[in-house]
Amino acid sequence: QVTLKESGPALVKPTQTLTLTCTLSGFSLSTIGMRVSWIRQPPGKALEWLARIDWDDDKLYSTSLKTRLTIAKDTSKNQVVLTMTNMDPVDTATYYCARILGGKDNLWGQGTVVTVSS
Amino acid sequence: QSVLTQPPSVSAAPGQKVTISCSGSSSNIGKNFVSWYQHLPGTAPKLLIYDNNKRPSGIPDRFSGSKSGTSATLGITGLQAGDEADYYCGTWDSSLNTVFGTGTKVTVL
Repeated sequence: QVTLKESGPALVKPTQTLTLTCTLSGFSLSTIGMRVSWIRQPPGKALEWLARIDWDDDKLYSTSLKTRLTIAKDTSKNQVVLTMTNMDPVDTATYYCARILGGKDNLWGQGTVVTVSS
Repeated sequence: QSVLTQPPSVSAAPGQKVTISCSGSSSNIGKNFVSWYQHLPGTAPKLLIYDNNKRPSGIPDRFSGSKSGTSATLGITGLQAGDEADYYCGTWDSSLNTVFGTGTKVTVL
């Protein structure tokens, strides 16, 4: 069964660095053409795409957040890690990882809620 | 930071039809396929439409999609209480970044 599952801290303090992990099951990011994205949704707001990493380690970042984001893959653990520096209360959101390959190949994790508060 | 514009809300009575517009530009919708998602709070977004007008298996034909120029439209016919959700369009921009719409809340009266 193909699934993605997000994990990470539920609460971080302002200025801290957030590290989120997406664990992949049923597929490998080593597969040619594979890619995983991170997307977030602040409470009451729209979905916002953050970053993407491809099977060949190519990476794309949101223009507005690129200075704060790093995405990486750990092929041996079949995981994708997103770090976001200098967290602020406006970064409070549900964070999703997703496999969006185009066409009908479109699968999301259940999301993980992150609250930024002192 | 959404670059695709949707109406904040639409509503209709059960059995009726609603349409949701998604307005973009020549750098996103104008040159790429559009997808539509249904999103219920606390759940993962669900793909309803891909490649502008195709439905994944299991999605009823009450849901339809179309695209013209730099805009796309999602239609829902035979509206049901279970259709109450937020709906998002999505596509790619010229930098191959994924972009989403501002979201539309569908209310069944």
